[in-house]
Amino acid sequence: GQSLEQPSEVTAVEGAIVQINCTYQTSGFYGLSWYQQHDGGAPTFLSYNALDGLEETGRFSSFLSRSDSYGYLLLQELQMKDSASYFCAVKEGGYQKVTFGTGTKLQVIP
Amino acid sequence: EPEVTQTPSHQVTQMGQEVILRCVPISNHLYFYWYRQILGQKVEFLVSFYNNEISEKSEIFDDQFSVERPDGSNFTLKIRSTKLEDSAMYFCASEANTEAFFGQGTRLTVV
Repeated sequence: GQSLEQPSEVTAVEGAIVQINCTYQTSGFYGLSWYQQHDGGAPTFLSYNALDGLEETGRFSSFLSRSDSYGYLLLQELQMKDSASYFCAVKEGGYQKVTFGTGTKLQVIP
Repeated sequence: EPEVTQTPSHQVTQMGQEVILRCVPISNHLYFYWYRQILGQKVEFLVSFYNNEISEKSEIFDDQFSVERPDGSNFTLKIRSTKLEDSAMYFCASEANTEAFFGQGTRLTVV
């Protein structure tokens, strides 16, 4: 069956860099997405990787290694507002089936 | 900026009753999704919809659930006979070019 593993919690200091890892086991893999969700809010799309390598969008970067079934989200110059849960999600099956990871709660401290 | 809108924001219903959750996706998007999130847990995929039909569904999406796009704009999720364990936040999402936009969700409480 499908499974995605992420650390449950990460704490980092304002201004620092943090990496959130995601390992997955799925069938028919198409790509890996990352979402941010603040408490009580909706998931917000951050990035999508279909091919190996690093994608950069401002302070956020996402990496994928298909051969290792592994990806990570890198957040640079952390700000207090980055405190949220971060989910990786895999597109699989016929492309439109999406499985979310269990989420990583990031706490940014001063 | 275009957005996905969901109504109602909160619905309380008695066990065994039918509920319909409504979503207006972004107008030029082609792929639509329903997800649910039980409080404090991960987001769970329910169903995806493309070209006016279901393209994928999860094990959660059993015969109690159905989706429709009745008028080309609204996208609805119906739960025929609600159970206590259906209490959750239900999110609708629409997608273009691999980027999915989520609505603010409907919090369903079954009592």
